[in-house]
Amino acid sequence: DAGVTQSPTHLIKTRGQHVTLRCSPISGHKSVSWYQQVLGQGPQFIFQYYEKEERGRGNFPDRFSARQFPNYSSELNVNALLLGDSALYLCASSLTLGDYEQYFGPGTRLTVT
Amino acid sequence: GENVGLHLPTLSVQEGDNSIINCAYSNSASDYFIWYKQESGKGPQFIIDIRSNMDKRQGQRVTVLLNKTVKHLSLQIAATQPGDSAVYFCAETSNSGNTPLVFGKGTRLSVIA
Repeated sequence: DAGVTQSPTHLIKTRGQHVTLRCSPISGHKSVSWYQQVLGQGPQFIFQYYEKEERGRGNFPDRFSARQFPNYSSELNVNALLLGDSALYLCASSLTLGDYEQYFGPGTRLTVT
Repeated sequence: GENVGLHLPTLSVQEGDNSIINCAYSNSASDYFIWYKQESGKGPQFIIDIRSNMDKRQGQRVTVLLNKTVKHLSLQIAATQPGDSAVYFCAETSNSGNTPLVFGKGTRLSVIA
């Protein structure tokens, strides 16, 4: 079975642009979480979605938004990009809400110039 | 590949020796803890977890110890191998309710062959 997949693997944007990152969970997993990992730090929680609804949100500005589709895949959108948004964006899937055995994808490396 | 932890604390261990990686957690209400391994270019990989009603849990070549009194967690890796070289993160959460994972800063383990 395929693990969590994310696209694209790398992305370069300029300040002020917007970006959409995509995630496909493991087959059968209904919950998707997004994390931001700045170089040299641990992942920081952004969002959790379950059954297409937002079930948790971290301390991130409104420029960050996400959604989950009927097939449980998810998109993370970031508007008005800032240099500080440069990071590795990780998607993790789990079977259900509250299941902390999360499986992470390889991430999307976003560089904002 | 992705260099996740450029400025992380580093533990250098001779191949075959045992490794001990430490983590101090912050929230006394946390009651569920997980250790993740992150190799260059990959997302975090689940290693072992422990609930707060336990003080020790063993897996294959790994042992996690939990000291709730001083809010300290450790990961012991027996007979460390070159493939164990990675960045290791502890994560904490509360199992009561939908509380997101909070990751520590991480430790880079470097195995010397």
